[in-house]
Amino acid sequence: DAGITQSPRHKVTETGTPVTLRCHQTENHRYMYWYRQDPGHGLRLIHYSYGVKDTDKGEVSDGYSVSRSKTEDFLLTLESATSSQTSVYFCAISESTGSTPLNEQFFGPGTRLTVL
Amino acid sequence: DAKTTQPNSMESNEEEPVHLPCNHSTISGTDYIHWYRQLPSQGPEYVIHGLTSNVNNRMASLAIAEDRKSSTLILHRATLRDAAVYYCILRRDDKIIFGKGTRLHILP
Repeated sequence: DAGITQSPRHKVTETGTPVTLRCHQTENHRYMYWYRQDPGHGLRLIHYSYGVKDTDKGEVSDGYSVSRSKTEDFLLTLESATSSQTSVYFCAISESTGSTPLNEQFFGPGTRLTVL
Repeated sequence: DAKTTQPNSMESNEEEPVHLPCNHSTISGTDYIHWYRQLPSQGPEYVIHGLTSNVNNRMASLAIAEDRKSSTLILHRATLRDAAVYYCILRRDDKIIFGKGTRLHILP
């Protein structure tokens, strides 16, 4: 299995509080992704990173920010959590081959976040 | 992004082959067809991908129509462990956009 860990694995927080989720990889892969998964919506891409300090928005980026200061860590921050951000969050990694990063993505175990 | 259409759910008997269909009529020439699956309470895992030719690996086979407007994931001998949601995805860049997938039920 690819070396991807997510922390925390479970978190309960209150509306309005800041929350940071961490994704850590030991594979030295260039690409990292954050997804959320909600019933009836499948997985939706929040943000992704194509290198240190290089990030871009996905389809549901509002209310989220990310940072990648090291290859191995990709942080997802909810500046002021809302109940609509209650979800399961998955991190994924992928390496690139040349200029086409079409290699498979490896997913972490997920973080279950509940915002009360 | 080009979209895919999959049945919401399918059933199959254990130890029989399973054919999971996917329609992607708006596929472009540079789109790769990827399949992922998600077992209960886990993150998705890669199954297979292809561009034009049929592909085989240890997990499954991918049959791609000649016009590339549809494809079929084939599990040659389903086991109970294959019960999962299967996602058919078109990729042309570094993002994956997941649809809702097909929930596959395996009957013992």
